[in-house]
Amino acid sequence: SQTIHQWPATLVQPVGSPLSLECTVEGTSNPNLYWYRQAAGRGLQLLFYSVGIGQISSEVPQNLSASRPQDRQFILSSKKLLLSDSGFYLCACFVRANTGELFFGEGSRLTVL
Amino acid sequence: AQSVAQPEDQVNVAEGNPLTVKCTYSVSGNPYLFWYVQYPNRGLQFLLKYITGDNLVKGSYGFEAEFNKSQTSFHLKKPSALVSDSALYFCAVRDAAAGNKLTFGGGTRVLVKP
Repeated sequence: SQTIHQWPATLVQPVGSPLSLECTVEGTSNPNLYWYRQAAGRGLQLLFYSVGIGQISSEVPQNLSASRPQDRQFILSSKKLLLSDSGFYLCACFVRANTGELFFGEGSRLTVL
Repeated sequence: AQSVAQPEDQVNVAEGNPLTVKCTYSVSGNPYLFWYVQYPNRGLQFLLKYITGDNLVKGSYGFEAEFNKSQTSFHLKKPSALVSDSALYFCAVRDAAAGNKLTFGGGTRVLVKP
């Protein structure tokens, strides 16, 4: 079965600094990959999803970008962080051959000061 | 566009009592519905799903959910709640036409008191 790794688990960054959050998937190939953000411990907002290498769909306009340089790697980036970028970032994958649920990583908590 | 609503921000229940967490949905085609649970500072864990077939779906940890097409609902239930069931619960609907992304409800916090 697939395993999702996210790092770093926790990050404190100053406003205006760059960001790179990484997600890698093991145990499957050609997954769909997703970045969600959870603010204030409640609702989940889909930020980006990718159906293949180099293919990124953005759900909301924002200060963030995503890239998929390899089949099982999904990166969330920012050139200059804003206070509003603080939150809990979750990576998820969907394996087309499975029965339909998304699997989630353990998340990366970002605090922008 | 599809959407999911969880009308209760929080549900309080005594240990041993039945637990219900409500969810209603809006989709343009066949609904693919999911429930997830989240413990503090953790990722989401899959509980159960409805794709097709029986309206009563059984999942992990003794949870079940009933799909009701006429009421567009997919309520999560557990006959006898445990203190360890205290967590944040999310209902979600899958959009097969858009990368199989999940749209989540706002979440319901469940507090089970001993």
